[in-house]
Amino acid sequence: NSKVIQTPRYLVKGQGQKAKMRCIPEKGHPVVFWYQQNKNNEFKFLINFQNQEVLQQIDMTEKRFSAECPSNSPCSLEIQSSEAGDSALYLCASSLSGGGQDTQYFGPGTRLLVL
Amino acid sequence: DAKTTQPDSMESTEGETVHLPCSHATISGNEYIYWYRQVPLQGPEYVTHGLQQNTTNSMAFLAIASDRKSSTLILTHVSLRDAAVYHCILSGQQGTGSKLSFGKGAKLTVSP
Repeated sequence: NSKVIQTPRYLVKGQGQKAKMRCIPEKGHPVVFWYQQNKNNEFKFLINFQNQEVLQQIDMTEKRFSAECPSNSPCSLEIQSSEAGDSALYLCASSLSGGGQDTQYFGPGTRLLVL
Repeated sequence: DAKTTQPDSMESTEGETVHLPCSHATISGNEYIYWYRQVPLQGPEYVTHGLQQNTTNSMAFLAIASDRKSSTLILTHVSLRDAAVYHCILSGQQGTGSKLSFGKGAKLTVSP
């Protein structure tokens, strides 16, 4: 069973507000992924880290999203100015190396609703 | 772009054995086959994975075709708790930062 912890489980924001969510990866997992699952249950990869360094990120993440994984602190994903289209389930996953041979374990997600 | 093909849905009854098929005709030699399942309001749960050989664990048996172009997840003695959307995914390339590309998955319904 996954031991990835995500907080908060639910987040409600108004348009234009900041929305911040946190993720504690499984102990010993240096690679962290963030995904977005929309209301149509479609997944979108956002960004991933190895320790504190960004490995990959999509364009959307570069513009309105910021993410970090500081040493000895939870990872976080923040939307600078929330839009209605950002309403989704945000999933954090962690793995040993992020390579194809290492399983990604998911947390329960943070469900964001932007009014 | 999804690289796997699954049926949209499957139905079963408690106690039955269910075979969930997945086609991945363009799989690369170093890609692993992963299966996750997801219930509403929860993140995806890891079920199993394999590269070439069949694998088994407490949750399921994964049968991989000899040419690796298809696989079947076999759930024995299914219960209501097995009702979920099952995703068959090919892992990315070897090395760090290999993101997963989820498709729609196959919704398994289990009747009492």
